[in-house]
Order: sequence, then structure tokens, then C-alpha cells
Amino acid sequence: DAKTTQPPSMDCAEGRAANLPCNHSTISGNEYVYWYRQIHSQGPQYIIHGLKNNETNEMASLIITEDRKSSTLILPHATLRDTAVYYCIAGGTSYGKLTFGQGTILTVHP
Amino acid sequence: DTGVSQNPRHKITKRGQNVTFRCDPISEHNRLYWYRQTLGQGPEFLTYFQNEAQLEKSRLLSDRFSAERPKGSFSTLEIQRTEQGDSAMYLCASIRQGVGNEQFFGPGTRLTVL
Repeated sequence: DAKTTQPPSMDCAEGRAANLPCNHSTISGNEYVYWYRQIHSQGPQYIIHGLKNNETNEMASLIITEDRKSSTLILPHATLRDTAVYYCIAGGTSYGKLTFGQGTILTVHP
Repeated sequence: DTGVSQNPRHKITKRGQNVTFRCDPISEHNRLYWYRQTLGQGPEFLTYFQNEAQLEKSRLLSDRFSAERPKGSFSTLEIQRTEQGDSAMYLCASIRQGVGNEQFFGPGTRLTVL
């Protein structure tokens, strides 16, 4: 799996968009970018994944740069319940093993 | 689909005791993963099963650890002769091979070794 770099922490005001960056400059052509989040004392929760194209689902949008060396997870209207640790994972083996880094602690404040 | 369940949710034990955790994946999910998470760190892969076959083990899984999935449904993770360094959250996840890339995680078992 490619190494990922994320800021250790970020703040966001409730109702505003939260933009979480991730660098994965050594990602190879067939490796996906996955985002998971972990709310305190719970197991990680899948958010979204992508390969080359930007992706959107009911939770978030994923913007991947054209050179695929970085990506941004966008939570369009952050709520207090979005306060969590967000993990960016680049890779994922053929059998699905995930390599987590330390993630970004996102704090959404009123 | 009731989600991945893990039991117990919390376990406190004394050093040197054996402990066993259970994971019940989502039905029809043929792949099952175990991860360990220590405070302030992301989860670390321990091992995974495809049906009843254990196909990879991390070097983190010392010989005191053993995992089974006897009928390809639930799985158990046993730690023998626990050490204080085993204190962590043990997470289980499952996926149905070929159906999406989303791993479904359970709530975890928090182990404290005194």
C-alpha cells in the first residue's frame, strides 16, 4: 500500500463544508483511495472510495487530482456528528487488507 | 443484515490468563478480517479468512495468538498468556468477495490486561 500523509487535526464550523486533504504520492496505477472514519469508541465506518474519477455518495465527495498523488474528502455540510478520526487509505490488496495511518481528527464545532 | 457483532465488548483480565473473543460477520460475507488498535493509532491488520481458510497472518500475530473460523461463519481470536502489551481494541470486519470494496466493521472488543 502507498504511504499516506494527513494533517493530524482540523476544525470545521457546523453547517460548513469540511475539506480533508490526503497525500499519496507513491500510489500506483491500480490502487484505490479509500476513506473511512471512526467515531469515538466505535469501529471504522466506510465513507467512499475511488480510483481516478471524482466520486460522490450520500455521505461525501471524493476529489482525486489528475496525477492521483493527492485527494480531498469533502463533507458538504458538516454536523456535530461528523466529529471523528478520518482515515485515508491508498492501496488495498486484492484480498482487501487495509493499512490505516493515524488519520485526521476532525472536530466540528457549533 | 444486522451488522457485524463482537463479543464481549469489554474484557479485563490478569496478565498470564487466556482470553477468547468472538466475531459474527454479516451473513453471506465470506471474508473476515481481524485488526488491532492501540490508543491513538489506526487499526493494524492481524489476519484474514476466506470462508474457513486463514490465508494471511501479520507478523503482529505472535504464536500466543490463534484465530479460527471453523465453519466459515463466526470467528474466534484467542490470546494465550496475555501480556500488558496486548491491551488494545480488537476489531473484526467482513466483506462479501466481489461485492463492493466496503469493509463492514464491528464495534470491537476492548481488552485490558492488568
